[in-house]
Formats: sequence, C-alpha cells, structure tokens
Amino acid sequence: AQTVTQSQPEMSVQEAETVTLSCTYDTSESDYYLFWYKQPPSRQMILVIRQEAYKQQNATENRFSVNFQKAAKSFSLKISDSQLGDAAMYFCAYSERERRFGAGTRLTVKP
Amino acid sequence: DSGVTQTPKHLITATGQRVTLRCSPRSGDLSVYWYQQSLDQGLQFLIQYYNGEERAKGNILERFSAQQFPDLHSELNLSSLELGDSALYFCASSVEGQGRDTQYFGPGTRLTVL
Repeated sequence: AQTVTQSQPEMSVQEAETVTLSCTYDTSESDYYLFWYKQPPSRQMILVIRQEAYKQQNATENRFSVNFQKAAKSFSLKISDSQLGDAAMYFCAYSERERRFGAGTRLTVKP
Repeated sequence: DSGVTQTPKHLITATGQRVTLRCSPRSGDLSVYWYQQSLDQGLQFLIQYYNGEERAKGNILERFSAQQFPDLHSELNLSSLELGDSALYFCASSVEGQGRDTQYFGPGTRLTVL
C-alpha cells in the first residue's frame, strides 16, 4: 500500500523568510498525483498545490512551490516570503486511485 | 467557500448510538469522498461514490456505511458508536472521481461520542 511520510511534526519560520516542508512517499506506480493541503485553525482543507508525476517541471503557485524528486520519491513544499496567514497544518497527499495523506506538519509563523 | 456543504457542523451523542452525516457536493461534481480525521492526525480515506455507485473503499469499519442518492448528495451512517469514533468527518467532491481530480472539501462535521 502507498504510504506518505511527513517527518517534521512541527516547523517554525520567521515572517518574510522561507521554509521547506518535507514529504516522502512509497509507491510502485509510475503515474500518480501529489498534493499539498493547508488546514488552518478553522479546519477547512484547502488545496495549496498539485503535481503530476509525469511532469518533470515543478509546480508553482505564487509563493508556494514544490521540489519533486520522482526517483527519490520526495515531494517538498517551499513557502517563500512567509506570512502570518500561512500558519496552519500542512498535509502532503498521494493519489493514484484513492488519496492518502501524511500525518501533517504544523507550521508556526513568528512575527 | 468550496461549494461542498455538510450537515450538521457539530454532533454530540452517546456510545452505542447511531448518527447520519450528510453531504452535498459541488454543482456538477459526480463523485463524493468521505474522510475521517482523528485529533491532530491526517485524514483517513473511508469510501468513495461516483454517480450513485461505490467506487473505492478504504479503512471503513463495518459499523459504518454510506450511500449516494440520485440527486448526488451522500450520507455517512455511523452505528454502535464508540468513544474512538470521535473525530472530524470530511466530505469532498470532484468531477470525475479520478486520482488526478482536485477534491473540494466541505467544512466537516465534528462528532463527539460521550
């Protein structure tokens, strides 16, 4: 079964600085999709970014970008120019058929 | 606002009881997914429906069941409730029900079993 591992339970970043959240996954498939979701204190699940495994180019969405290393099965999220509103739980997810989520990383942003 | 609605927002009940959670997908979405999030944990996939038919089943207990109706809304039924069933239950919807789909999440139903 595919598993998703987020090795950093908690991370902290200073406002306006850059932080990288790590995610690794295990799969024998070659075609799949990867996602980062943000869950603020409101508990709403918000899609941050998605990556298709067949695309070598790393996805970007404004201040959010990923470093997708297919051979290493690694999918990290970089948040640039961190803002107070970025404080949340971040979940990495793998999807081939059903979506599997990692345990999450709690990001704190210090003013 | 994702366009996915879930009712009720909060539910408090006792062990051994049965509850029903309701979800209405976004307009045009044919697939509905149910997830369980226990305290400070990731989401666990429970079950998926596509256009009224069960498409995938995850870690769903036998005490739990779900269905999707002709109008595409879905209900998750939880019976013989235990303390460990206390969690946030999310519904999500997508257009095609494929792994590549963007899933839009509802606000969740917080279930507390006392």
